Amino acid sequence: NAGVTQTPKFRILKIGQSMTLQCTQDMNHNYMYWYRQDPGMGLKLIYYSVGAGITDKGEVPNGYNVSRSTTEDFPLRLELAAPSQTSVYFCASSYLSSNQPQHFGDGTRLSIL
Amino acid sequence: QQQVKQSPQSLIVQKGGISIINCAYENTAFDYFPWYQQFPGKGPALLIAIRPDVSEKKEGRFTISFNKSAKQFSLHIMDSQPGDSATYFCAASTAGNKLTFGGGTRVLVKP
Repeated sequence: NAGVTQTPKFRILKIGQSMTLQCTQDMNHNYMYWYRQDPGMGLKLIYYSVGAGITDKGEVPNGYNVSRSTTEDFPLRLELAAPSQTSVYFCASSYLSSNQPQHFGDGTRLSIL
Repeated sequence: QQQVKQSPQSLIVQKGGISIINCAYENTAFDYFPWYQQFPGKGPALLIAIRPDVSEKKEGRFTISFNKSAKQFSLHIMDSQPGDSATYFCAASTAGNKLTFGGGTRVLVKP
């Protein structure tokens, strides 16, 4: 199984540009998450979804949007890229029940110049 | 507001030594405490986890100690190996499986 797949792996954007970070999982997990990882700060939750058509904000949602049209896919969109959004972005998924391990992709490293 | 505080930020240990990483939390609603291991260029992967009704959990060379009254928990890596060199994150969650992560500890095991 591929697990959680994120694309692209690296991207450089100019300020004000937009882009979509792709995430797909093949484990039939209901829950999916987006985190950002800044140096020395751990991971912070941006958005999460408990199933197709259902999304909710995490700790740091400003500047981002998500959608969940299928169980497998959970794209993250940046509409107006800002230097503060330079980070490494991780997508994760887990089963429906609480306290289930989250499975992470290998991340997208995004630089905004 | 950082709800899970992790220390130290980095540590160096000799091969065969013990690595100890500590975490403290504030939210008493947390009911699940996992540790994740991350290698460079990879996403975090679950290493070991504990629930607050248990004071200790051991899996191989990795042990979690949990002190509910002090709102603290720690990871002990026994007989540390060079392959254990990675960044370790503690985390905590409430119902709904939303994780709050600590800031991470970079561990270097010297041969």
